Amino acid sequence: AAGVIQSPRHLIKEKRETATLKCYPIPRHDTVYWYQQGPGQDPQFLISFYEKMQSDKGSIPDRFSAQQFSDYHSELNMSSLELGDSALYFCASSNTREKRQQYFGPGTRLTVT
Amino acid sequence: GNSVTQMEGPVTLSEEAFLTINCTYTATGYPSLFWYVQYPGEGLQLLLKATKADDKGSNKGFEATYRKETTSFHLEKGSVQVSDSAVYFCALSDPPSGGSNYKLTFGKGTLLTVNP
Repeated sequence: AAGVIQSPRHLIKEKRETATLKCYPIPRHDTVYWYQQGPGQDPQFLISFYEKMQSDKGSIPDRFSAQQFSDYHSELNMSSLELGDSALYFCASSNTREKRQQYFGPGTRLTVT
Repeated sequence: GNSVTQMEGPVTLSEEAFLTINCTYTATGYPSLFWYVQYPGEGLQLLLKATKADDKGSNKGFEATYRKETTSFHLEKGSVQVSDSAVYFCALSDPPSGGSNYKLTFGKGTLLTVNP
């Protein structure tokens, strides 16, 4: 079965650079969630999109922005990167019928040096 | 707001021992409850879930029962294996009434190590 795809899997950036993380949800899933997991921490909700519209916002810094495109893939854009942004970034998707069931991608590990 | 509290680890057991990881929650509505597992260097995998009171989720020998009266969702397994070594996260989703966002709120995670 198709799963959530995230790219890249690993990314190394320097401070003050920008990064773009991509998420391709499971086909026919209409909702995408982004989570950030710092080292040794629990995942924290950043932002979500339903039918290409932002549906909720969590602890996402103003330096980050995200969107969902017409093909339902989503991108998380991160600017002016800081050392503290180093984390594992997960994308999850769900569909209308199974809203409470989220399927997670493998994550993108971002390292800021 | 919503919150999840799970027992702090690390938990170290011998193979075939009984496992319990406690999880309690606070929510304003009627949440769904989940256990996710994260193996070293990997992403989050759904282990089991329960969507209403008294539901029992089960998978791969793990079980958890949704107890509304004690707001708990403790994870249990009768006989752990070395391959169960991982971090376990308890989580809930509790959208506002009429809302459509089912974001997850996670506990801090419990590291389980099973020795042969």
